[in-house]
Amino acid sequence: EPEVTQTPSHQVTQMGQEVILRCVPISNHLYFYWYRQILGQKVEFLVSFYNNEISEKSEIFDDQFSVERPDGSNFTLKIRSTKLEDSAMYFCASSESPSGRLHFGPGTRLTVL
Amino acid sequence: DQQVKQNSPSLSVQEGRISILNCDYTNSMFDYFLWYKKYPAEGPTFLISISSIKDKNEDGRFTVFLNKSAKHLSLHIVPSQPGDSAVYFCAATNYGGSQGNLIFGKGTKLSVKP
Repeated sequence: EPEVTQTPSHQVTQMGQEVILRCVPISNHLYFYWYRQILGQKVEFLVSFYNNEISEKSEIFDDQFSVERPDGSNFTLKIRSTKLEDSAMYFCASSESPSGRLHFGPGTRLTVL
Repeated sequence: DQQVKQNSPSLSVQEGRISILNCDYTNSMFDYFLWYKKYPAEGPTFLISISSIKDKNEDGRFTVFLNKSAKHLSLHIVPSQPGDSAVYFCAATNYGGSQGNLIFGKGTKLSVKP
């Protein structure tokens, strides 16, 4: 069964540095998402992306965040200037349609020091 | 503002018995509800869903019940197996109005003991 993949599995960075988290969604999916889970907290929606543009974003997704689909397979989340509170598991997800049945990747653990 | 609440952080059940996981929501605009299962070091995996026009959906050992008037849903696992031990997240969305923006609860950690 096809899977969503994410790299790296763990990223450690210094506060103020830029990070790019990478995802390869399932190939025939058209809707892409980023979610995050701060340790011990709930999974939170960040952004959805369809047809090469952002469909919806949460209040968490401020100007420090951006997403891109640079080619036909990758979907990236960039955080321009990381803060301590950005430390979390970041999950990429994709779906064939906006049905809510998302396929999640294994996550990237981001640690900001 | 917790729109989706899972008030039990953990649940322990004996193998073969029924597991009942509960979820409450506050937003009456939600029209589609889902349960996801999550193992450590993995992303959430879709388990079962229910539309607001139904009150029950069954898939093998898993049944989801929806009580719209009480804004409550529950996931029943019968019989429970040790492999079911995981964190279970309830999620909700306004299917008609969102592009897959799921609102998750905090999760309930289920432990099924052999």
